[in-house]
Amino acid sequence: ILNVEQSPQSLHVQEGDSTNFTCSFPSSNFYALHWYRWETAKSPEALFVMTLNGDEKKKGRISATLNTKEGYSYLYIKGSQPEDSATYLCASGKAAGNKLTFGGGTRVLVKP
Amino acid sequence: DAGITQSPRYKITETGRQVTLMCHQTWSHSYMFWYRQDLGHGLRLIYYSAAADITDKGEVPDGYVVSRSKTENFPLTLESATRSQTSVYFCASSEYPYEQYFGPGTRLTVT
Repeated sequence: ILNVEQSPQSLHVQEGDSTNFTCSFPSSNFYALHWYRWETAKSPEALFVMTLNGDEKKKGRISATLNTKEGYSYLYIKGSQPEDSATYLCASGKAAGNKLTFGGGTRVLVKP
Repeated sequence: DAGITQSPRYKITETGRQVTLMCHQTWSHSYMFWYRQDLGHGLRLIYYSAAADITDKGEVPDGYVVSRSKTENFPLTLESATRSQTSVYFCASSEYPYEQYFGPGTRLTVT
């Protein structure tokens, strides 16, 4: 994988259901994987920064896992609520410096 | 106010004009970044800076110039605006290796 890729591009979730989606990134020279939540008409806000293989982070109903050897991360939303509707961006950072390469995002719409 | 601010928030300019977008942060973060939001690409890095007087190109630097004479300011200049530079521009700051904090964005339209 040369770039950071997110799938699916969008998904619709019924309120109360759980969901998850994927971020794939180049595993060579990996340093950190960031997840951001981006609501419409606002700016992205950080959810997690993960660096170690096997890392798991949790914030409320949202959690993320990291596999640096195979180059993927999952983001999980448990019991989705309408306020979870947003675009979720992942970004990969390499060992040198603090530059991030962002994926195209997964747009989540939670239907009441 | 503490945080990261961008000005102007909205700008309409004509093709060929020079325009400068301003970014100011109050945290004294070492790193600052400029991104543009493009459909299908998410956020793409234009330029970044690791400290005052240290800047480097990102993924899409052509047509842009940056400077950073003070830690808190990181202006982005479009030397001769083109229609393809119509976008929403986000400035961000961080301390390495932590999360980035984004400004509210500047919506730029080039006519």
